[in-house]
Amino acid sequence: QKEVEQNSGPLSVPEGAIASLNCTYSDRGSQSFFWYRQYSGKSPELIMFIYSNGDKEDGRFTAQLNKASQYVSLLIRDSQPSDSATYLCAGEDTGRRALTFGSGTRLQVQP
Amino acid sequence: EAQVTQNPRYLITVTGKKLTVTCSQNMNHEYMSWYRQDPGLGLRQIYYSMNVEVTDKGDVPEGYKVSRKEKRNFPLILESPSPNQTSLYFCASGHPSYIAGGTGELFFGEGSRLTVL
Repeated sequence: QKEVEQNSGPLSVPEGAIASLNCTYSDRGSQSFFWYRQYSGKSPELIMFIYSNGDKEDGRFTAQLNKASQYVSLLIRDSQPSDSATYLCAGEDTGRRALTFGSGTRLQVQP
Repeated sequence: EAQVTQNPRYLITVTGKKLTVTCSQNMNHEYMSWYRQDPGLGLRQIYYSMNVEVTDKGDVPEGYKVSRKEKRNFPLILESPSPNQTSLYFCASGHPSYIAGGTGELFFGEGSRLTVL
């Protein structure tokens, strides 16, 4: 069973702080990784994807990938209350050609 | 507007009564998939389809059927629903990253909350 592991949280940070979300994966064949945000009662929406080792920045969001250590992270700078949501990490399962999702980390940004 | 449409959004049914959840996408995606989401378990894949008439099992296919007769539609069928199929179901479509031009992004429908009594 290919797995993607996340701490369920909640992770609580004050407004304006940096939120750091982490994810580990077991499938060394996974090449692509994705961070989805899901507000309560809503469907997931893509925030970022990353294919290569290193950092990828998009506005307030930075995704980091370390294939040797098999971990992916998402940093959210200047966190806002509107960032409060569950963040799902997903790895592309090259065997089944499907995204395998972690169970998500709930982020709470305190005003 | 690009979208994935699921119906019904909410359904309460009884054990053994066959039901179908429809899914339709207007983005010409070849890849479509069904997930169920349960507390603490995240999104788990039920079935997926790489193209018309091409479907395959995901992680939790027991008790479900699918068909892909048209590119835009991918219905999920519960032949004899049981209470352990009470869940939130999402249909998704997209372009896998291993296909030229694909980003791997999935576009999700709004979800169908199913309760089986």
